[in-house]
Amino acid sequence: EVQLVESGGGLVQPGGSLRLSCAASGLTFSSYWMSWVRQAPGKGLEWVANIKQDGSEKYYVDSVKGRFTISRDNAKNSVYLQMNSLRAEDTAVYYCASDGGPLFDNWGQGTLVTVSS
Amino acid sequence: QSALTQPASVSGSPGQSITISCTGTSSDVGSYNRVSWYQQHPGKAPKLMIYEVSKRPSGVSNRFSGSKSGNTASLAISGLQAEDEADYYCCSYAGSGTVVFGGGTKLTVL
Repeated sequence: EVQLVESGGGLVQPGGSLRLSCAASGLTFSSYWMSWVRQAPGKGLEWVANIKQDGSEKYYVDSVKGRFTISRDNAKNSVYLQMNSLRAEDTAVYYCASDGGPLFDNWGQGTLVTVSS
Repeated sequence: QSALTQPASVSGSPGQSITISCTGTSSDVGSYNRVSWYQQHPGKAPKLMIYEVSKRPSGVSNRFSGSKSGNTASLAISGLQAEDEADYYCCSYAGSGTVVFGGGTKLTVL
């Protein structure tokens, strides 16, 4: 059974930083692109970033470019999202998902990030 | 990177069929057969229902089908059931490694 487990969410002040982690099991992690997708409270899904199997390619939605960095460690079957200069509009549940280009066939349960003073 | 356009809501009675549209542009939906659809129940993670426009993952009912014409993709659900009531999102590859979702459609089963 595939499991994706996110962690690292929480309450942070505007301008602050947070690092999300996603631990994968039950799949050949190094064979998958991975993505982060977020959902603001009561709103729709928004793709945030993705990363190629070997980490050589990374792409971002315009609104997070220069502030967020996606990375991965295939030895630890994990993908990360470093979020800097956080804004109120970054408040959302952040999901990690395996990315088949794009078909997100496995999702985590999500981790809530709240940006507020 | 503008969101794809979906109707905010659709409804139907049990046993009926409904269709949800997803309109993009020639830079996303119109250029790639990489459209997928997701079902999301309240408080739950999304679930893949359709990928590559019209393919169904194993385990998804054949009551769900997808299609595309030009810049518009569609999700059809036949034989509506109470458990189909959920939010539905379309998604498309948008070039240069990026992805765009639709705004979501709330399906109500009357």
